[in-house]
Amino acid sequence: GAGVSQTPSNKVTEKGKYVELRCDPISGHTALYWYRQSLGQGPEFLIYFQGTGAADDSGLPNDRFFAVRPEGSVSTPKIQRTERGDSAVYLCASSPGGAGGPKETQYFGPGTRLLVL
Amino acid sequence: AQTVTQSQPEMSVQEAETVTLSCTYDTSESNYYLFWYKQPPSRQMILVIRQEAYKQQNATENRFSVNFQKAAKSFSLKISDSQLGDTAMYFCACNGGSNYKLTFGKGTLLTVNP
Repeated sequence: GAGVSQTPSNKVTEKGKYVELRCDPISGHTALYWYRQSLGQGPEFLIYFQGTGAADDSGLPNDRFFAVRPEGSVSTPKIQRTERGDSAVYLCASSPGGAGGPKETQYFGPGTRLLVL
Repeated sequence: AQTVTQSQPEMSVQEAETVTLSCTYDTSESNYYLFWYKQPPSRQMILVIRQEAYKQQNATENRFSVNFQKAAKSFSLKISDSQLGDTAMYFCACNGGSNYKLTFGKGTLLTVNP
């Protein structure tokens, strides 16, 4: 079956511009996660959705980052007034969201590489 | 809160040999889970192996096994019969309690040489 897909694969923008990312999780997965991976680092947690609601957004760095999941499937996070420090790979993952809890395998997409000039 | 430390930025191994990647962690959770993920140049993170902290038996998946030392908070990954396709970044990660978010280490770049 289809895995997690993310678009675009790469995005170049100028400082101050607005960008929107997209993640299509595995069909039927109710849990969706976003991580940010800076060069030479491991992924860092941004936000976790269970269904339509953000169950944990403690990793969002500031109010320029905004993510919703209105129908409980696709997620389209947005970054306003981009800064050079936002340059990173943004990874989306999904998991079944059932009784497995934290031990559920998170299935990752290929990421979106964002470069802010 | 959790922290994960991988002290080996890079490692190399000859094809068909065995290599061990190190990871230490810290967590305040009594029940937690540990993971090793592989990230090839395609960027897609792939789960290699998972260990539940309350299980004493070390997890094994084909050529991949772990050495889980709970008291020492150590979780190393052993790759046997290394293959060229094992060349990738390897990340150790932890989550636990009601906390779904994964905390990752900085990764180890493993190169398998022919």
